[in-house]
Amino acid sequence: QQQVKQSPQSLIVQKGGISIINCAYENTAFDYFPWYQQFPGKGPALLIAIRPDVSEKKEGRFTISFNKSAKQFSLHIMDSQPGDSATYFCAASKGDDKIIFGKGTRLHILP
Amino acid sequence: EAGVVQSPRYKIIEKKQPVAFWCNPISGHNTLYWYLQNLGQGPELLIRYENEEAVDDSQLPKDRFSAERLKGVDSTLKIQPAELGDSAVYLCASSLSTGTGRNEQFFGPGTRLTVL
Repeated sequence: QQQVKQSPQSLIVQKGGISIINCAYENTAFDYFPWYQQFPGKGPALLIAIRPDVSEKKEGRFTISFNKSAKQFSLHIMDSQPGDSATYFCAASKGDDKIIFGKGTRLHILP
Repeated sequence: EAGVVQSPRYKIIEKKQPVAFWCNPISGHNTLYWYLQNLGQGPELLIRYENEEAVDDSQLPKDRFSAERLKGVDSTLKIQPAELGDSAVYLCASSLSTGTGRNEQFFGPGTRLTVL
């Protein structure tokens, strides 16, 4: 059972464009929704996270939009840069329980 | 500040052989995690330690996998015997538990295991 479904699997965006990655979850008890960024040969690194009591969180060029009723959340990368090319994972957890990761989105920003 | 250190970075073994991975967490981090990451997939938790105690090992295949965290610092993950399907990246992460339930996990670079 896949508790966190992520799409698209891969994404190509022109430099300066907006990259959008979507995730849907099933467990309404989840209360923490982080996004991780992973470069080849590196471990994932926390990018930005949100709790379900807010609908949007912005940090620099990165924004999480959260729709609790639809059980969906998305990552928007504004003014995408070649350095943003990486694999992005959405995730969810409940309390101190383990983090459940999506399958990832390979993002490539064209120079 | 040094991050999470893992060794070796790469390991190639033949099936049925044993293999061990080592992790040194960030200094002061009392929580340590071992994850399995298959190609094209997100990390999946194998085991979580709070200091020396394994508090969640429900996803650890105990027939062939074992782990230990001596003195609540370094940890080793062992597979014996390894199977072809064990080929993957094994990630170690650590966090500082503050009792708030939301503690950022810092990941190491992983060990890429290839079983032939």
